[in-house]
Amino acid sequence: EAGVVQSPRYKIIEKKQPVAFWCNPISGHNTLYWYLQNLGQGPELLIRYENEEAVDDSQLPKDRFSAERLKGVDSTLKIQPAELGDSAVYLCASSLEANTGELFFGEGSRLTVL
Amino acid sequence: GDSVTQMEGPVTLSEEAFLTINCTYTATGYPSLFWYVQYPGEGLQLLLKATKADDKGSNKGFEATYRKETTSFHLEKGSVQVSDSAVYFCALSGNDMRFGAGTRLTVKP
Repeated sequence: EAGVVQSPRYKIIEKKQPVAFWCNPISGHNTLYWYLQNLGQGPELLIRYENEEAVDDSQLPKDRFSAERLKGVDSTLKIQPAELGDSAVYLCASSLEANTGELFFGEGSRLTVL
Repeated sequence: GDSVTQMEGPVTLSEEAFLTINCTYTATGYPSLFWYVQYPGEGLQLLLKATKADDKGSNKGFEATYRKETTSFHLEKGSVQVSDSAVYFCALSGNDMRFGAGTRLTVKP
């Protein structure tokens, strides 16, 4: 069974440039999460989807971050414009059901903003 | 709000040593508790879980017991191997998932 797939694995951009990350969850997983992981820290939730609906986006900085999950499968996370402080690893995870705590994570997308 | 505090690392042990990584939590209600592990170059993966007080989660020789009276979920293993070198995250699932900062374990042969 294929796991959660994220791309790109690494991205280096200059500040003020846009960037987008893509996530393909495990087939049949209705719940999809985007997490932010700073160096030496644990993952912090940015947004959670139940199918196509964003049910928890309270931690998403909406002035520059946006996300979508069209057709309730793949998802993209966009940052525009990027700032130096956005340098981090962006993790995507999926789960079969919400609130079980049993998440399956992708390998992450490491963003460096220069 | 809900939070998890885990032992700061890094932790360095010799092979076959006993491992304890401390984790305490603050939560309203009765969360489920988890340990996730991140091996080098890989994504986080669930190691073990416990859903109610006094439950013991176990996997791959690791164990953790949900202690409501001390609000703790310490991770233990009796004899670590080089292959256990990784970053370990304690987490709780209440209204949402909360992760600790992670503890890096290095096991030397």
